[in-house]
Amino acid sequence: GAGVSQSPSNKVTEKGKDVELRCDPISGHTALYWYRQSLGQGLEFLIYFQGNSAPDKSGLPSDRFSAERTGGSVSTLTIQRTQQEDSAVYLCASSQQTSGFYNEQFFGPGTRLTVL
Amino acid sequence: SQELEQSPQSLIVQEGKNLTINCTSSKTLYGLYWYKQKYGEGLIFLMMLQKGGEEKSHEKITAKLDEKKQQSSLHITASQPSHAGIYLCGAEGTSGSRLTFGEGTQLTVNP
Repeated sequence: GAGVSQSPSNKVTEKGKDVELRCDPISGHTALYWYRQSLGQGLEFLIYFQGNSAPDKSGLPSDRFSAERTGGSVSTLTIQRTQQEDSAVYLCASSQQTSGFYNEQFFGPGTRLTVL
Repeated sequence: SQELEQSPQSLIVQEGKNLTINCTSSKTLYGLYWYKQKYGEGLIFLMMLQKGGEEKSHEKITAKLDEKKQQSSLHITASQPSHAGIYLCGAEGTSGSRLTFGEGTQLTVNP
């Protein structure tokens, strides 16, 4: 596709339920990033994939959060036993990065998660 | 860890006015990115600055990175309602990859 796509665009769930958020990066982009944007917290890094491996998971807030990437393309962010504080917009980005600096990240439109 | 501070947090200007948004880093910047976000949408890439003293322009938006590479400014000339949105600066860390973002500057341009 032309850009990064994410689904669903909106997700409302009940506290305690599990949710899966999907990201389709730009074709050929080897690097994929997940960020979270919430009120009062700004934009926070969650996890970074290079190919199918995740060299940097340092931003995942708890063990309820996990992510995987298959085939060097699609990624899924899973939140188990959701809590109200998980409510946020989850943004995915991809870049052509193979290593080093100065790699523009292209962002998707985000998934707005609301936990009731 | 690197921290980015943006100022002002919000800005309301009349159409046609010039404005400046600043981004200050606690550490040397290796790559500084400016993005724009409209409510409910993703981030739109504006510009990337690498070298101290570098300046880039696109249409009516100019971004600069100071010589010491610890501060960047974004200047909009003759603002228009289409410029309204949240402007975010982001910086790469010492190992590249992840971006650390400032809190954002909410810009409103009144017609």
